Amino acid sequence: TQLLEQSPQFLSIQEGENLTVYCNSSSVFSSLQWYRQEPGEGPVLLVTVVTGGEVKKLKRLTFQFGDARKDSSLHITAAQPGDTGLYLCAGSPVNDYKLSFGAGTTVTVRA
Amino acid sequence: GAVVSQHPSWVICKSGTSVKIECRSLDFQATTMFWYRQFPKQSLMLMATSNEGSKATYEQGVEKDKFLINHASLTLSTLTVTSAHPEDSSFYICSAVSGQGAYEQYFGPGTRLTVT
Repeated sequence: TQLLEQSPQFLSIQEGENLTVYCNSSSVFSSLQWYRQEPGEGPVLLVTVVTGGEVKKLKRLTFQFGDARKDSSLHITAAQPGDTGLYLCAGSPVNDYKLSFGAGTTVTVRA
Repeated sequence: GAVVSQHPSWVICKSGTSVKIECRSLDFQATTMFWYRQFPKQSLMLMATSNEGSKATYEQGVEKDKFLINHASLTLSTLTVTSAHPEDSSFYICSAVSGQGAYEQYFGPGTRLTVT
């Protein structure tokens, strides 16, 4: 059983459209990270959120951490083909460096 | 900053042989490193936690005698797949944490292992 439930599993959209990926859990995390991974490469850290209710923006990407620190979302505005990749959420339990990963969301942005 | 390298990036070996994969933190000292494996189109599965100067902690179901981990210094951890079999073929990824309250893990580029 995955500690972090990520949805949807697959997303295919047209360039210019918006998309949202969700990451939910019944557990509380001290921090939550979002990564993007290209085929054959390691995950690249996009953002870390640590405070309940926190919102972080990275250009066209907006990340939210739930008030209870159990869930998070990633929203991409006006998606571009370069946004294509596997998006992974991962959470750290309190006082632990170990990460629990969601199953991942494969995003495909068509030109 | 926060660059992690892995070597080799890919390796093909024959069944029954052993393969060593290196993970290095290039611009910081890593108190803790992690080893993951990833199957195609799946997420990362944690195999073990490696702390410098102490024995690795393995996740449930991971054979410690098959996947030998050594964290000899604050910048180097190695994973040795012993007596490899075709089912060990996978993408192996390491990550490193700098410690001192840092939450983020920085990942290496991965090593593709194919056992024939």
